[in-house]
Amino acid sequence: DVVMTQTPPSLSVAIGQSVSISCKSSQSLVYSDGKTYLHWLLQSSGRSPKRLIYQVSNLDSGVPDRFSGTGSQKDFTLKISRVEAKDLGVYYCAQTTHFPPTFGAGTKLELK
Amino acid sequence: QVNLLQSRAALVKPGASVKLSCKASGYTFTDYYIHWVKQSHGKSLEWIGYINPNSGYTNYNEKFKSKATLTVDKSTNTAYMELSRLTSEDSATYYCTRGEAYWGQGTLVTVSS
Repeated sequence: DVVMTQTPPSLSVAIGQSVSISCKSSQSLVYSDGKTYLHWLLQSSGRSPKRLIYQVSNLDSGVPDRFSGTGSQKDFTLKISRVEAKDLGVYYCAQTTHFPPTFGAGTKLELK
Repeated sequence: QVNLLQSRAALVKPGASVKLSCKASGYTFTDYYIHWVKQSHGKSLEWIGYINPNSGYTNYNEKFKSKATLTVDKSTNTAYMELSRLTSEDSATYYCTRGEAYWGQGTLVTVSS
């Protein structure tokens, strides 16, 4: 299975600060169709995960442009600019290029 | 809007089985696979498998092949996952999803005597 390594495991931030989360995969996530199926999800406390970004850099509907995703092959980054209180929770990267789909261990974003 | 409504929490005894449900609405049920994901308390996510509601074809993560059985009832737009021979390791929240974009609210399964 593809191993997804997220760092850091946790982040303490002040409101208004910017942060970045790294996600590295054990194999390239480029599929045979040329697309890269790397996604970012946020799980707020007590809630189901919610997808924020799909295929590396595409924002889901309603996701503010303070969120951005970059990367290629095996190395990906989620950046959150001007963190707001509603951004707090656990962020997961997920790959659906290879079978079975796998997830990172998560990065917990907390208030400083 | 897409909605996946899951069955309520279950308390089951070790060695027993449990069948979870996931009722879909807001889209054509047979057009999209339903996936199931496990989240142990305080842990990350594990993909269990998916089912094609149109054909009934299933594909499982090797780790869950002898644990989970996925089925659907097209007449009620409902997907099911049965977990068998339950142990404490199966205590977790289980989500049904339509891909990674839409998630049910989760069903907490607690295995305890």
